[in-house]
Amino acid sequence: GQNIDQPTEMTATEGAIVQINCTYQTSGFNGLFWYQQHAGEAPTFLSYNVLDGLEEKGRFSSFLSRSKGYSYLLLKELQMKDSASYLCAAAKAAGNKLTFGGGTRVLVKP
Amino acid sequence: GAVVSQHPSRVICKSGTSVKIECRSLDFQATTMFWYRQFPKQSLMLMATSNEGSKATYEQGVEKDKFLINHASLTLSTLTVTSAHPEDSSFYICSASRDSTDTQYFGPGTRLTVL
Repeated sequence: GQNIDQPTEMTATEGAIVQINCTYQTSGFNGLFWYQQHAGEAPTFLSYNVLDGLEEKGRFSSFLSRSKGYSYLLLKELQMKDSASYLCAAAKAAGNKLTFGGGTRVLVKP
Repeated sequence: GAVVSQHPSRVICKSGTSVKIECRSLDFQATTMFWYRQFPKQSLMLMATSNEGSKATYEQGVEKDKFLINHASLTLSTLTVTSAHPEDSSFYICSASRDSTDTQYFGPGTRLTVL
């Protein structure tokens, strides 16, 4: 089976940093995606990690450790518009299927 | 590039009727399209994977006779919810990818409400 775990909710202050952790157990693992989803909208792509290590893209960075089945998404210099749900998803090598975690709702306060 | 559209964005229908949702890749050819369902405050659950020109592969627990999927061209897939019931009310999202190694690009979603 497959299991993707991430915290349900996190609250942070504008300008601060927040780290969203994701652990996964999945067979045929190919890589780990992070998506941002605002309420009532479809997910938008943030990052894709295949190899171990940190990938930085502006204010957002994503880390993967395949041996530990662990990833995190780091959001820096938080802005109010960053309030959203953040979904981690494990991709299977066969067929590129995604299994999503439950999502982490991040609330950014002034 | 890599834009995916869905139509309609919202639909309200009576119990027992059928509803068709379209998913289009606007600026690329999608070998594979995926259909997801998302209930309020829950994550996306994969319903089925469709490859152009072949039958869709359904996830366990998803009734293929109730959720009809057609992927007749490289830019269009349709999901028909047959004999819809209130419990089918949900947010339906499609995604498309060029091939099995490509990122999935998501459509804007369709909110279905069955009265």
